[in-house]
Amino acid sequence: EAGVAQSPRYKIIEKRQSVAFWCNPISGHATLYWYQQILGQGPKLLIQFQNNGVVDDSQLPKDRFSAERLKGVDSTLKIQPAKLEDSAVYLCASSLGGNTIYFGEGSWLTVV
Amino acid sequence: ELKVEQNPLFLSMQEGKNYTIYCNYSTTSDRLYWYRQDPGKSLESLFVLLSNGAVKQEGRLMASLDTKARLSTLHITAAVHDLSATYFCAGDNNDMRFGAGTRLTVKP
Repeated sequence: EAGVAQSPRYKIIEKRQSVAFWCNPISGHATLYWYQQILGQGPKLLIQFQNNGVVDDSQLPKDRFSAERLKGVDSTLKIQPAKLEDSAVYLCASSLGGNTIYFGEGSWLTVV
Repeated sequence: ELKVEQNPLFLSMQEGKNYTIYCNYSTTSDRLYWYRQDPGKSLESLFVLLSNGAVKQEGRLMASLDTKARLSTLHITAAVHDLSATYFCAGDNNDMRFGAGTRLTVKP
């Protein structure tokens, strides 16, 4: 079974530029999550989708971050404009029925 | 809002020794997760605990859940070097919140 796929794996951008990350969840998984993990910290939930609807985006900085899940499958997370403090790993995860949650390898963002 | 606290944050132990990592959470949590993360890697699911008194074991790791105390533990038995990693617990109250992680180093 294929896992959660993310791209790009690594990205370096200058502050005030924009960046987009893509996630393809495990086939059939209705729930998709985006997490931000800053070095040395635990992951922080940014947004949770159930199919193509948003369940929770309370911790998403909506002035610069946006996310969508087209047709309830793939998802894109965008940051515009990026700030230095956005440097982190962006983890996508998916689950079926809410028990085990499977994480992708992550997209590493460095903002300089 | 669910808050999750782990301790210790750093743990250095000798091979062959036993130790316990503690995870406290602030409000009702439907389930409690334990994950392992190796440096530069993503999170690997270890255990999902669903009910009070739940105990799960895999190899040298055993996780338990006490919902009344809002406490989960991850017990390490006879540690080996391969267990060196960061261990996270996470609670789920409609959205999953992680602890800060316990960075475990097992020394020969």
